[in-house]
Amino acid sequence: AQSVAQPEDQVNVAEGNPLTVKCTYSVSGNPYLFWYVQYPNRGLQFLLKYITGDNLVKGSYGFEAEFNKSQTSFHLKKPSALVSDSALYFCAVRDSGSARQLTFGSGTQLTVLP
Amino acid sequence: GAGVSQSPSNKVTEKGKDVELRCDPISGHTALYWYRQSLGQGLEFLIYFQGNSAPDKSGLPSDRFSAERTGGSVSTLTIQRTQQEDSAVYLCASSLSPERSYEQYFGPGTRLTVT
Repeated sequence: AQSVAQPEDQVNVAEGNPLTVKCTYSVSGNPYLFWYVQYPNRGLQFLLKYITGDNLVKGSYGFEAEFNKSQTSFHLKKPSALVSDSALYFCAVRDSGSARQLTFGSGTQLTVLP
Repeated sequence: GAGVSQSPSNKVTEKGKDVELRCDPISGHTALYWYRQSLGQGLEFLIYFQGNSAPDKSGLPSDRFSAERTGGSVSTLTIQRTQQEDSAVYLCASSLSPERSYEQYFGPGTRLTVT
């Protein structure tokens, strides 16, 4: 079985400050990890993924995420937040084995305050 | 090229009626997925089509839900005898192949409201 936890329903940060959106996962094998962003009335947009290799993954719009195997975490980060980053963020996991569907967290609403 | 498209974008139906939701995946993508996003919830996997193989229906919540994929392209999700708890946004995604399921491209969704 595979599962994802996003412990924060809401994250508020001031524009220009660094932001972190937390995600922890559970899989039986090696994880494939993803972050998606959803803007109001829009579909999910892919931000970044970890499949293998470097633990620090860089993605779209200046976002990055760090895979930490010992802590089973894949937190999303950005050094300097923009008001336009305000959106709903989903972490997702897929076991590298036979499972094909993604398992998503419940989402974190990020609000960047001007 | 064109992304994943879904229709209708919004659907309001009365309890007990049947509804059909349509998904057009990206051309050439052999894998297709349906998810459901309920208010305040994450995305819930429903069903997965992989080329010509039998679909993975493990996520369908009840036998009122069914889906088909004709000709390996367009997919239709059917909900029979809709209930209020079926109200949600239904999202479709596609990937180039089952092995590339880590690169799923999502459509804009169909917002279903059951009154």
